[in-house]
Amino acid sequence: QVQLQESGPGLVKPSETLSLTCTVSGGSISSYYWSWIRQPPGKGMEWIGYIYGRGSTNYNPSLKSRVTISIDTSKNQFSLKLNSVTAADTAVYYCARVVGSYDSGRYTNWFDPWGQGTLVTVFS
Amino acid sequence: DIQMTQSPSSLSASVGDRVTITCRASQSINSNLNWYLQRPGKAPKLLIYAASSLQTGVPSRFSGSGSGTDFSLTISNLQPEDFATYFCQQSYTTPYSFGQGTKLEIK
Repeated sequence: QVQLQESGPGLVKPSETLSLTCTVSGGSISSYYWSWIRQPPGKGMEWIGYIYGRGSTNYNPSLKSRVTISIDTSKNQFSLKLNSVTAADTAVYYCARVVGSYDSGRYTNWFDPWGQGTLVTVFS
Repeated sequence: DIQMTQSPSSLSASVGDRVTITCRASQSINSNLNWYLQRPGKAPKLLIYAASSLQTGVPSRFSGSGSGTDFSLTISNLQPEDFATYFCQQSYTTPYSFGQGTKLEIK
Protein backbone atom coordinates (compact mmCIF):
# COMPACT_ATOMS: atom_id res chain seq x y z
CA GLN A 1 0.00 0.00 0.00
CA VAL A 2 1.50 3.29 -1.10
CA GLN A 3 1.91 5.92 1.62
CA LEU A 4 3.08 9.51 1.38
CA GLN A 5 4.60 11.69 4.09
CA GLU A 6 5.41 15.39 3.86
CA SER A 7 8.36 16.88 5.72
CA GLY A 8 9.96 20.28 6.04
CA PRO A 9 10.07 23.46 8.11
CA GLY A 10 6.80 24.59 9.63
CA LEU A 11 7.84 28.22 9.75
CA VAL A 12 9.23 30.31 6.88
CA LYS A 13 10.06 34.00 6.87
CA PRO A 14 8.54 36.36 4.29
CA SER A 15 10.54 36.63 1.03
CA GLU A 16 12.34 33.35 1.73
CA THR A 17 11.89 29.96 0.05
CA LEU A 18 9.48 27.30 1.28
CA SER A 19 10.94 23.81 0.83
CA LEU A 20 9.04 20.57 1.40
CA THR A 21 9.75 16.94 0.61
CA CYS A 22 7.32 14.08 0.10
CA THR A 23 8.60 10.59 0.81
CA VAL A 24 6.81 7.76 -0.96
CA SER A 25 6.80 4.29 0.58
CA GLY A 26 5.24 1.03 -0.55
CA GLY A 27 5.75 1.61 -4.27
CA SER A 28 8.01 3.04 -6.92
CA ILE A 29 7.89 6.73 -7.70
CA SER A 30 9.04 6.29 -11.29
CA SER A 31 5.82 5.34 -13.07
CA TYR A 32 3.31 7.88 -11.80
CA TYR A 33 2.61 11.58 -11.66
CA TRP A 34 3.01 13.20 -8.25
CA SER A 35 1.35 16.40 -7.12
CA TRP A 36 1.45 19.16 -4.53
CA ILE A 37 -1.79 20.71 -3.28
CA ARG A 38 -2.31 23.30 -0.57
CA GLN A 39 -5.15 24.54 1.61
CA PRO A 40 -4.92 27.97 3.25
CA PRO A 41 -6.68 28.24 6.62
CA GLY A 42 -10.44 28.38 6.15
CA LYS A 43 -10.21 28.14 2.35
CA GLY A 44 -10.49 25.51 -0.35
CA MET A 45 -7.79 23.39 -1.86
CA GLU A 46 -5.43 24.81 -4.50
CA TRP A 47 -3.51 22.61 -6.91
CA ILE A 48 0.14 23.69 -7.11
CA GLY A 49 1.53 21.37 -9.77
CA TYR A 50 2.70 17.88 -10.64
CA ILE A 51 5.80 16.04 -11.78
CA TYR A 52 6.14 12.77 -13.65
CA GLY A 53 8.58 10.12 -12.47
CA ARG A 54 10.78 10.93 -15.45
CA GLY A 55 10.83 14.63 -14.63
CA SER A 56 8.26 16.49 -16.76
CA THR A 57 6.26 19.09 -14.84
CA ASN A 58 3.03 21.09 -15.01
CA TYR A 59 2.41 24.04 -12.71
CA ASN A 60 -0.59 26.16 -11.78
CA PRO A 61 -0.14 29.40 -13.76
CA SER A 62 -1.02 31.39 -10.63
CA LEU A 63 2.16 30.07 -8.96
CA LYS A 64 4.30 29.11 -11.92
CA SER A 65 6.80 31.97 -11.60
CA ARG A 66 7.65 30.94 -8.02
CA VAL A 67 7.35 27.13 -8.01
CA THR A 68 9.75 24.31 -8.71
CA ILE A 69 8.84 20.65 -8.26
CA SER A 70 11.65 18.11 -8.53
CA ILE A 71 12.01 14.37 -8.11
CA ASP A 72 14.68 12.03 -6.76
CA THR A 73 13.87 8.50 -7.85
CA SER A 74 16.86 7.07 -5.95
CA LYS A 75 15.29 8.24 -2.68
CA ASN A 76 11.66 7.76 -3.76
CA GLN A 77 11.04 11.42 -2.95
CA PHE A 78 9.73 14.50 -4.69
CA SER A 79 10.06 18.06 -3.52
CA LEU A 80 8.44 21.48 -3.64
CA LYS A 81 10.17 24.82 -3.63
CA LEU A 82 8.14 28.02 -3.48
CA ASN A 83 10.17 31.20 -3.44
CA SER A 84 9.46 34.75 -2.35
CA VAL A 85 6.77 33.62 0.07
CA THR A 86 4.27 35.95 1.74
CA ALA A 87 1.61 35.45 4.39
CA ALA A 88 -0.76 34.36 1.60
CA ASP A 89 1.34 31.21 1.22
CA THR A 90 0.47 30.07 4.75
CA ALA A 91 -1.35 26.78 4.26
CA VAL A 92 -1.45 23.08 4.89
CA TYR A 93 0.59 21.52 2.10
CA TYR A 94 -0.32 18.05 0.83
CA CYS A 95 1.44 15.71 -1.52
CA ALA A 96 -0.55 13.18 -3.52
CA ARG A 97 -0.18 10.58 -6.25
CA VAL A 98 -2.01 11.16 -9.52
CA VAL A 99 -3.75 8.02 -10.76
CA GLY A 100 -5.25 7.91 -14.22
CA SER A 101 -7.20 5.62 -16.48
CA TYR A 102 -9.06 5.50 -19.78
CA ASP A 103 -12.82 5.07 -19.74
CA SER A 104 -14.65 4.73 -23.07
CA GLY A 105 -11.65 6.24 -24.80
CA ARG A 106 -11.47 9.24 -22.50
CA TYR A 107 -8.67 9.83 -20.02
CA THR A 108 -9.41 10.84 -16.48
CA ASN A 109 -7.36 11.05 -13.31
CA TRP A 110 -7.63 11.61 -9.59
CA PHE A 111 -5.49 12.07 -6.47
CA ASP A 112 -4.90 8.92 -4.45
CA PRO A 113 -3.43 8.51 -1.92
CA TRP A 114 -2.66 11.79 -0.16
CA GLY A 115 -0.18 12.58 2.55
CA GLN A 116 -1.44 13.76 5.90
CA GLY A 117 -0.40 17.34 5.18
CA THR A 118 1.98 19.72 6.86
CA LEU A 119 1.21 23.23 8.03
CA VAL A 120 3.60 25.89 6.81
CA THR A 121 3.27 29.32 8.35
CA VAL A 122 4.88 32.38 6.80
CA PHE A 123 5.73 34.61 9.70
CA SER A 124 8.45 37.06 10.55
CA ASP B 1 -9.66 28.37 -15.23
CA ILE B 2 -12.62 26.16 -14.27
CA GLN B 3 -14.46 27.23 -11.14
CA MET B 4 -16.09 24.59 -8.96
CA THR B 5 -19.08 25.65 -6.86
CA GLN B 6 -20.08 23.24 -4.14
CA SER B 7 -23.24 23.39 -2.05
CA PRO B 8 -24.23 23.49 0.65
CA SER B 9 -21.18 24.69 2.57
CA SER B 10 -22.49 22.94 5.67
CA LEU B 11 -25.16 20.39 6.39
CA SER B 12 -26.66 18.89 9.55
CA ALA B 13 -28.05 15.39 9.50
CA SER B 14 -28.70 12.39 11.72
CA VAL B 15 -27.34 8.87 11.69
CA GLY B 16 -29.39 6.88 9.20
CA ASP B 17 -30.28 9.89 7.04
CA ARG B 18 -29.66 10.26 3.33
CA VAL B 19 -27.89 13.43 2.18
CA THR B 20 -26.86 14.88 -1.16
CA ILE B 21 -24.05 17.33 -1.89
CA THR B 22 -23.83 19.07 -5.24
CA CYS B 23 -20.94 20.43 -7.27
CA ARG B 24 -21.26 22.65 -10.33
CA ALA B 25 -18.48 23.39 -12.83
CA SER B 26 -18.20 26.70 -14.66
CA GLN B 27 -17.92 24.80 -17.96
CA SER B 28 -18.43 21.24 -19.11
CA ILE B 29 -15.93 18.81 -17.62
CA ASN B 30 -17.50 15.63 -19.06
CA SER B 31 -17.23 13.08 -16.25
CA ASN B 32 -13.88 14.28 -14.93
CA LEU B 33 -15.11 14.88 -11.39
CA ASN B 34 -13.82 13.32 -8.18
CA TRP B 35 -15.11 13.37 -4.61
CA TYR B 36 -13.01 13.22 -1.44
CA LEU B 37 -13.64 12.99 2.29
CA GLN B 38 -11.50 14.84 4.80
CA ARG B 39 -11.44 14.32 8.53
CA PRO B 40 -9.66 16.85 10.79
CA GLY B 41 -5.93 16.29 10.81
CA LYS B 42 -6.14 13.35 8.44
CA ALA B 43 -5.19 12.80 4.84
CA PRO B 44 -8.01 13.42 2.34
CA LYS B 45 -9.49 10.17 1.08
CA LEU B 46 -10.78 9.42 -2.42
CA LEU B 47 -14.42 8.28 -2.46
CA ILE B 48 -15.62 8.57 -6.05
CA TYR B 49 -13.66 9.06 -9.28
CA ALA B 50 -14.87 9.78 -12.81
CA ALA B 51 -18.14 11.12 -11.40
CA SER B 52 -19.67 7.77 -10.47
CA SER B 53 -16.99 5.11 -9.93
CA LEU B 54 -16.68 3.95 -6.35
CA GLN B 55 -13.11 3.70 -5.12
CA THR B 56 -12.12 0.22 -3.92
CA GLY B 57 -12.92 -0.23 -0.26
CA VAL B 58 -15.42 2.64 -0.03
CA PRO B 59 -18.82 1.56 1.31
CA SER B 60 -21.65 1.26 -1.21
CA ARG B 61 -23.73 3.82 0.70
CA PHE B 62 -21.65 6.43 -1.16
CA SER B 63 -22.67 7.14 -4.74
CA GLY B 64 -21.90 9.80 -7.32
CA SER B 65 -23.71 10.98 -10.41
CA GLY B 66 -23.67 13.67 -13.06
CA SER B 67 -21.82 14.77 -16.15
CA GLY B 68 -21.14 18.00 -17.98
CA THR B 69 -21.47 20.74 -15.36
CA ASP B 70 -23.68 19.30 -12.61
CA PHE B 71 -22.67 16.57 -10.21
CA SER B 72 -23.83 15.13 -6.91
CA LEU B 73 -22.57 12.94 -4.11
CA THR B 74 -25.20 11.00 -2.17
CA ILE B 75 -24.61 9.27 1.14
CA SER B 76 -27.32 6.86 2.23
CA ASN B 77 -27.83 5.54 5.74
CA LEU B 78 -25.35 7.96 7.33
CA GLN B 79 -22.93 6.37 9.77
CA PRO B 80 -21.10 8.16 12.62
CA GLU B 81 -17.79 8.01 10.73
CA ASP B 82 -19.34 9.86 7.76
CA PHE B 83 -19.52 13.17 9.60
CA ALA B 84 -16.61 15.00 8.01
CA THR B 85 -15.88 17.45 5.21
CA TYR B 86 -16.45 16.51 1.57
CA PHE B 87 -15.02 18.23 -1.48
CA CYS B 88 -15.15 17.82 -5.23
CA GLN B 89 -12.33 18.24 -7.75
CA GLN B 90 -12.28 18.56 -11.53
CA SER B 91 -9.58 16.72 -13.46
CA TYR B 92 -10.75 17.77 -16.94
CA THR B 93 -7.94 20.23 -17.43
CA THR B 94 -5.13 21.93 -15.56
CA PRO B 95 -5.07 23.88 -13.40
CA TYR B 96 -7.09 21.29 -11.50
CA SER B 97 -9.60 22.95 -9.19
CA PHE B 98 -11.63 22.09 -6.13
CA GLY B 99 -14.95 22.92 -4.55
CA GLN B 100 -14.86 24.86 -1.29
CA GLY B 101 -16.03 21.85 0.70
CA THR B 102 -19.15 20.76 2.56
CA LYS B 103 -18.96 20.15 6.29
CA LEU B 104 -21.38 17.40 7.31
CA GLU B 105 -22.29 17.68 10.98
CA ILE B 106 -24.36 15.60 13.33
CA LYS B 107 -27.79 17.10 14.07
